Amino acid sequence: DAGVTQSPTHLIKTRGQQVTLRCSPKSGHDTVSWYQQALGQGPQFIFQYYEEEERQRGNFPDRFSGHQFPNYSSELNVNALLLGDSALYLCASTQLPVGETQYFGPGTRLLVL
Amino acid sequence: DAKTTQPPSMDCAEGRAANLPCNHSTISGNEYVYWYRQIHSQGPQYIIHGLKNNETNEMASLIITEDRKSSTLILPHATLRDTAVYYCIVRVGSFGNEKLTFGTGTRLTIIP
Repeated sequence: DAGVTQSPTHLIKTRGQQVTLRCSPKSGHDTVSWYQQALGQGPQFIFQYYEEEERQRGNFPDRFSGHQFPNYSSELNVNALLLGDSALYLCASTQLPVGETQYFGPGTRLLVL
Repeated sequence: DAKTTQPPSMDCAEGRAANLPCNHSTISGNEYVYWYRQIHSQGPQYIIHGLKNNETNEMASLIITEDRKSSTLILPHATLRDTAVYYCIVRVGSFGNEKLTFGTGTRLTIIP
């Protein structure tokens, strides 16, 4: 049973650039959520995708956008990168409408220079 | 979602039971208590969750007080691999409210 996978594992970008992170949900799951975890902090909810639409969104600017594909995989895009965007980006999946437990992937560590 | 309060750090001797407390005094009747842990630089790992009754699985036990204002996660026989940050999260268990609100958690260190 495949768990949640994310790619790439590490990424280095410079300020102003754009980045795309990818996530494949756990087998049988149809919903993907993205979280940002700054160093020393708990993960912060960015947004969630279900049926290829954004359903919930946390307190993040429009520079953060996403997409979900028909196979339930998802992308997180961040435009105009800032130094403060350096963080571990986590993807979590569950199955709606009865989903109770979210399972997390290993994360993508993004460093913005 | 209700706010949770956890001690910032705890130590436990290897082989002993680790008891991690969590206060959620403003919890509502339809809010679940979830526990996750995060080993250094990895994604959070689901441990257990409950609503009212005590729960047990292969990883841990969750004890929820009768008034539901606090809970305790119990790792019965702690090993060095249990060293991690443990997060207690309260979440409404209904469609459309799946986001998890993490605090800063408890850093548990298992001592040999």
